[in-house]
Formats: sequence, C-alpha cells, structure tokens
Amino acid sequence: DTAVSQTPKYLVTQMGNDKSIKCEQNLGHDTMYWYKQDSKKFLKIMFSYNNKELIINETVPNRFSPKSPDKAHLNLHINSLELGDSAVYFCASSEMSTEAFFGQGTRLTVV
Amino acid sequence: QQQVKQSPQSLIVQKGGISIINCAYENTAFDYFPWYQQFPGKGPALLIAIRPDVSEKKEGRFTISFNKSAKQFSLHIMDSQPGDSATYFCAASSRGSYIPTFGRGTSLIVHP
Repeated sequence: DTAVSQTPKYLVTQMGNDKSIKCEQNLGHDTMYWYKQDSKKFLKIMFSYNNKELIINETVPNRFSPKSPDKAHLNLHINSLELGDSAVYFCASSEMSTEAFFGQGTRLTVV
Repeated sequence: QQQVKQSPQSLIVQKGGISIINCAYENTAFDYFPWYQQFPGKGPALLIAIRPDVSEKKEGRFTISFNKSAKQFSLHIMDSQPGDSATYFCAASSRGSYIPTFGRGTSLIVHP
C-alpha cells in the first residue's frame, strides 16, 4: 500500500484553466502538506494542515487553495492557471517533528 | 528568510570517495534534523535523521554529524556509489512549528 498517494502524476493544461490535485495518506498522520518544487529543485512549503488548522505560506497566490474533507485527504485546487505555476507539486504527511512521507509528485505543465 | 542553508549546490565525486554536504540553521528551537534523498521522478524519502541530544548518527555508509553550538549539521556518504547519485536535502523542524524547513538541495553525481 502506498503511504501517500497523489493523483494525477502528470497534468498538462492551458492557461486560465482551473485544476485540482488529490492527495491521500493512509498513515494516520495528523499533519499534511503541499510543497512546490521548481526547476532548480527547491522545495517550497505552500500549505500545512494540522487538526483543522491551516497554515498558509503568505507568498502563495490566493489562486491556490487547499481543501481537506477529512484527516486523510488534502487536495489542492488551483484557479486561473498561469505559466509560472508549472512545477512539480508534492503532497506529504507527518506526525509533529518527525519524518515526512512524500507522494510521488504531480508534474503540472501550463501551456 | 532561509532558515536552513545548504551547501554545496552540486557535488561530483568519484566512486569510492567521500561525499560531504553541509547545512546550517538559525532557529534554536529546531529539534529534528533529517536528510532526504530524491531520485528523478520520485518524491523525497528519508535517508537518516538526528536529534540534538547526540553529536553523530551512523547508518551504514551514511553519517550525520551534528554541532549544536555552531548550529550546523552535515551528511557524510562513505564509499560513494553511482547509485547514490541523487538530490539530497537537509531539513529541520520543531515541535512548536512542525513544518519541515528544507535546504535548497545538493545534486550529487558519483562517477563510476
């Protein structure tokens, strides 16, 4: 069983579209995250969600919004996609101050 | 604000050599220092981690050295192998602010 799974693995879409990436973890962790990895491999935290507390990186545009229907899921919605949104997006989960488990990533390409 | 600074950005080592990657942190509240390994097309995965109550942790060919007073920690890969070629990230987190903060990554290439 995959610990953290995200879908889709690849996403190609046109500018201006709205898209979602789904993430599920079966580890029973209380905290889930979304990271954006750019072409230089830098991992930038976008959101963390812990026990219904959402912490947002203030540099993330409000076109990005996380949605958590339950503790095991944290989906990422992106409105009005822009070329600069092209990147690999990783979902992760952890218990507090311990190992983070990452999904396989979603490569988003905006054309 | 970059709370974890990682160097070098890239590293080329011959097979059998020692790879050393360094990280420095600013927040003294950090109490968990993991290293992650990422292969192309995959998500980062935990390689080895240390807490500040010890100065060194070794797992096989991988060793973390931790210097609390200098606020630095490093990853040593002994007898480096081509299969170790990957991107390595140091990270840090605390119980108060549990969000892992990552260094910018080091691309390691081990030549056969």
